[in-house]
Amino acid sequence: GAVVSQHPSRVICKSGTSVKIECRSLDFQATTMFWYRQFPKQSLMLMATSNEGSKATYEQGVEKDKFLINHASLTLSTLTVTSAHPEDSSFYICSASTGGTDTQYFGPGTRLTVL
Amino acid sequence: QKEVEQNSGPLSVPEGAIASLNCTYSDRGSQSFFWYRQYSGKSPELIMSIYSNGDKEDGRFTAQLNKASQYVSLLIRDSQPSDSATYLCAVIIGGADGLTFGKGTHLIIQP
Repeated sequence: GAVVSQHPSRVICKSGTSVKIECRSLDFQATTMFWYRQFPKQSLMLMATSNEGSKATYEQGVEKDKFLINHASLTLSTLTVTSAHPEDSSFYICSASTGGTDTQYFGPGTRLTVL
Repeated sequence: QKEVEQNSGPLSVPEGAIASLNCTYSDRGSQSFFWYRQYSGKSPELIMSIYSNGDKEDGRFTAQLNKASQYVSLLIRDSQPSDSATYLCAVIIGGADGLTFGKGTHLIIQP
């Protein structure tokens, strides 16, 4: 149980384009989903927290207008990187937790490369 | 500043021995603590969570929490080469929802 999927697993795009990443909880309803970013040889950094039907809460230093998060259902959250630039190249990982517990289950991640 | 500290390693342990991984955290309001394992290029996978002082065992893994000293540790018994990975300590800082991660300890199990 507690399986989280992400799509796509890898994406290469040109600078200035937008990229959408999907995160799905496959066998449970995720009341809260989280988006993390991991640069090479660094640890995961929380970008934002989203609750179904509510606006996402962004961490300090994360531009909400650049990283658009939608959590329209209890099983799907999307992260859109708008006007991507090479410095946005990173490993983006979502996680999800169920109501009543704070354990987070991670998706397999999406490796974004912006040329 | 609220932080989670880990020794980055690498920590080299012979196969079959006990690997001991340590983590300290700065926020006394923290209530939830997790150990994740991350293989190179992959996302973290949950090993175990711990919430109360003392030990919690799950198979070859034992997590230990001491809130007074603000540290949490992970012991891996009968270490196997497949245990070679980066081990991430993660904490839910008081009042937050998301995880604050340490930088991870790179563990190498020598056959």
